[in-house]
Amino acid sequence: AQTVTQSQPEMSVQEAETVTLSCTYDTSESDYYLFWYKQPPSRQMILVIRQEAYKQQNATENRFSVNFQKAAKSFSLKISDSQLGDAAMYFCAYRSAWGNSNSGYALNFGKGTSLLVTP
Amino acid sequence: DGGITQSPKYLFRKEGQNVTLSCEQNLNHDAMYWYRQDPGQGLRLIYYSQIVNDFQKGDIAEGYSVSREKKESFPLTVTSAQKNPTAFYLCASSGLGQRPSSSGANVLTFGAGSRLTVL
Repeated sequence: AQTVTQSQPEMSVQEAETVTLSCTYDTSESDYYLFWYKQPPSRQMILVIRQEAYKQQNATENRFSVNFQKAAKSFSLKISDSQLGDAAMYFCAYRSAWGNSNSGYALNFGKGTSLLVTP
Repeated sequence: DGGITQSPKYLFRKEGQNVTLSCEQNLNHDAMYWYRQDPGQGLRLIYYSQIVNDFQKGDIAEGYSVSREKKESFPLTVTSAQKNPTAFYLCASSGLGQRPSSSGANVLTFGAGSRLTVL
């Protein structure tokens, strides 16, 4: 089974600064998808950004961008110009492109990184 | 508006009782999922279903049961056999297909969650 590791349980950033959250994963597959989800205090899961493994270009969504290193199996999230509303738990997740017998098309999540944004 | 509705938001259970968490979606998604969230543990897959009247165990299915009698509904029953049921439960749904599209198709959409506490 694929494992997703987020090695930073907590991170802190000042407003307007940039922060990078780390994620590594273990897989033998060549075609897959990676995601970052945000969970604010309301606990609603919100998709932040997705990356297709077959694309070399890093995904970007406004202030959010990723650094996808396929050979290193690394998928970090960079948040630029941090805002107070960015404070949340951030989860990295993996999905097989073709689904698998253990979990279909379900996502496999890391344990999360809690991001604190200070004024 | 399309979305996923989970109920109740908060639920209290006495030891030895079964309880059922409701999950309804009007997104016309084929697949539905139940995850459990504990502090520091990320999200762990309990059950998933890709078609009506069929469902598969996830990583932590022991002590839980589900049904999928309608495409829109995927209730989760926490049985008395679940030794430590106090947790936050998240229901999700998605289309089926290889490629998560930019429109959001085949990307997991989550409900607001249900918090279960055993007294």
